Amino acid sequence: NAGVMQNPRHLVRRRGQEARLRCSPMKGHSHVYWYRQLPEEGLKFMVYLQKENIIDESGMPKERFSAEFPKEGPSILRIQQVVRGDSAAYFCASSPVTDNYGYTFGSGTRLTVV
Amino acid sequence: GENVEQHPSTLSVQEGDSAVIKCTYSDSASNYFPWYKQELGKRPQLIIDIRSNVGEKKDQRIAVTLNKTAKHFSLHITETQPEDSAVYFCAAGGNNAGNMLTFGGGTRLMVKP
Repeated sequence: NAGVMQNPRHLVRRRGQEARLRCSPMKGHSHVYWYRQLPEEGLKFMVYLQKENIIDESGMPKERFSAEFPKEGPSILRIQQVVRGDSAAYFCASSPVTDNYGYTFGSGTRLTVV
Repeated sequence: GENVEQHPSTLSVQEGDSAVIKCTYSDSASNYFPWYKQELGKRPQLIIDIRSNVGEKKDQRIAVTLNKTAKHFSLHITETQPEDSAVYFCAAGGNNAGNMLTFGGGTRLMVKP
């Protein structure tokens, strides 16, 4: 089992460009969560998805951010027109179909906006 | 929604001493409390968890206690070693599939040799 796979590990974007972050959950996991971690800070919830459904996006900024988890393929977190304040580590986590046994996190994508 | 407070934000101990990190939560419906360890530049990793039907759980040098009445839970690390140095996060959430976790702000533990 390869675990939760995120790519790219590091992403550099200029202000105004788009950033696309990908996450493939663990085999057998159908719940995907995205968290943002600013330097020296904690994990802030952004969005919770199941296949083809956004279950809770209460942590997503109202503009420029979107997420999807299509029937086939990885979950995508998209940030349009990036600004310097978007620089952070973005972690994806997945959890199983059945009881909550805690999240398994991916290695994260470190986004730097220059 | 749930709110999780974690203290202290930094903790420095001598190798071999014990370390205790405390968290409080606000939502009495929460019944699942995991702890994560995050080393510098790496992913958070689950180290221990506890559910509301037990008051204490132990795994070698780490233990977690839960007081549902007071809505607080704690992580105890005994005989600390330099490799225990990391940031530790508590979290609270529901017990069912898909229930989201709310994380505390983290505790940076430094174990001095």
